[in-house]
Order: sequence, then C-alpha cells, then structure tokens
Amino acid sequence: NAGVTQTPKFQVLKTGQSMTLQCAQDMNHEYMSWYRQDPGMGLRLIHYSVGAGITDQGEVPNGYNVSRSTTEDFPLRLLSAAPSQTSVYFCASSYLPGGYEQYFGPGTRLTVT
Amino acid sequence: AQKVTQAQTEISVVEKEDVTLDCVYETRDTTYYLFWYKQPPSGELVFLIRRNSFDEQNEISGRYSWNFQKSTSSFNFTITASQVVDSAVYFCALSELAGGTSYGKLTFGQGTILTVHP
Repeated sequence: NAGVTQTPKFQVLKTGQSMTLQCAQDMNHEYMSWYRQDPGMGLRLIHYSVGAGITDQGEVPNGYNVSRSTTEDFPLRLLSAAPSQTSVYFCASSYLPGGYEQYFGPGTRLTVT
Repeated sequence: AQKVTQAQTEISVVEKEDVTLDCVYETRDTTYYLFWYKQPPSGELVFLIRRNSFDEQNEISGRYSWNFQKSTSSFNFTITASQVVDSAVYFCALSELAGGTSYGKLTFGQGTILTVHP
C-alpha cells in the first residue's frame, strides 16, 4: 500500500505565482485534511474534507483553495503565493473524522521568495 | 474551542535517562481523543498512540508509557531508558467527535524537541 502520497517534495515559488500541491490516498478514507507546519506552532489545519464533494475551512484557510472530486485525491491550491506561505505542508487522511488515527503524507517543503 | 499545550519547547537528556513530555489540553466536550505523534529528523509523522476520554487506564508499550489524567487534563508521555533514536519532535494532539463545527479535526500542541545525547 502506498498510503498517503504527496507531490512535490520540495518547491520554490516566486511571490504571486500559483501552484497545486497534490495529495492522494489509496485506503478509501473519507476524511482528508491539509496542515501546515511552522516552527514553534505545531501543525495547523488549513482545509479538510469529509467526503467527495464536501470541503470546509480549517484554522488558517486564507490564500488556499481545495476541492475533492474523488475519494482518493485532495489537492491544495495556492492562488497567489506569498512569503508567509513558506512552510511544510502535510496531507492526512483517516477512515472517518473524529477519533480515528490520521495517516500523514511525507510532506511538501514550500519556499516562497 | 479545543487547545493543546506542550510547555516544554526543548528537552535534552543523556542516553539511558528517563524523560517525560508534558501535554495539557482544553476541551468542552466529554467525548474526545488524545494522540501522540513522533516526527523524527526525516520529517514524517509517526502515530504513537490514541486514547479516548473514557479510558483513563495508563498504557505501556516497550519503553514508552502514557499517563492520562482527566482531573488535570493531562496526557503525559514517558520514555524510559532513552536512546539516541528517540531524538525527534513529539506532538500531542486532541480530536473531538465529529459534529457541529468540529468535524473531528486534530488540534496539535506546539511540539517538544527531544534530543538524546550518547
């Protein structure tokens, strides 16, 4: 099983550019989410989805868009990159929301110059 | 709103010492779940344990043990006889039941950087 995969692993963007971080899982999980990790702040929830066609905002959604057209894929779009979006991004999935273990992807390290 | 506090930003120990990582949480729900994750230098997040709010029994897994105390809203993690391979960032996290505006999201603490010296 591949589990949760993320691409790319590393990315450098210039301010104002847009890009999509890809996330896919092969465990048929309903719940998927995106977190960003910044030093000293733990992981903070950006957006989440409880199933195909259903998404909602997390704690820090500004500047990011998501969609969920299939159970497997949950891409994160940066509309106009800003230096404040320099971070490590993790995608996660779990069987259902709530008390189930979340499986994390390997992360994407994004630098915006 | 739920909140998790890991007051220890960094801990440094020498191999074979015991070390306890503190975690204090806040939630208004009576049903919730607590987690610990490990993030080694390679960067991935590794699940260690899940505990639900109705199960206050302490758990031991090899050199790892967890002490859950609802009375003090704490879920502390102890590593016995630490090893260099235990060096990592450790995160405590809280999840409420899905429902309302919560949707069962994970709220993480700030993390504790543990360095075990040989």
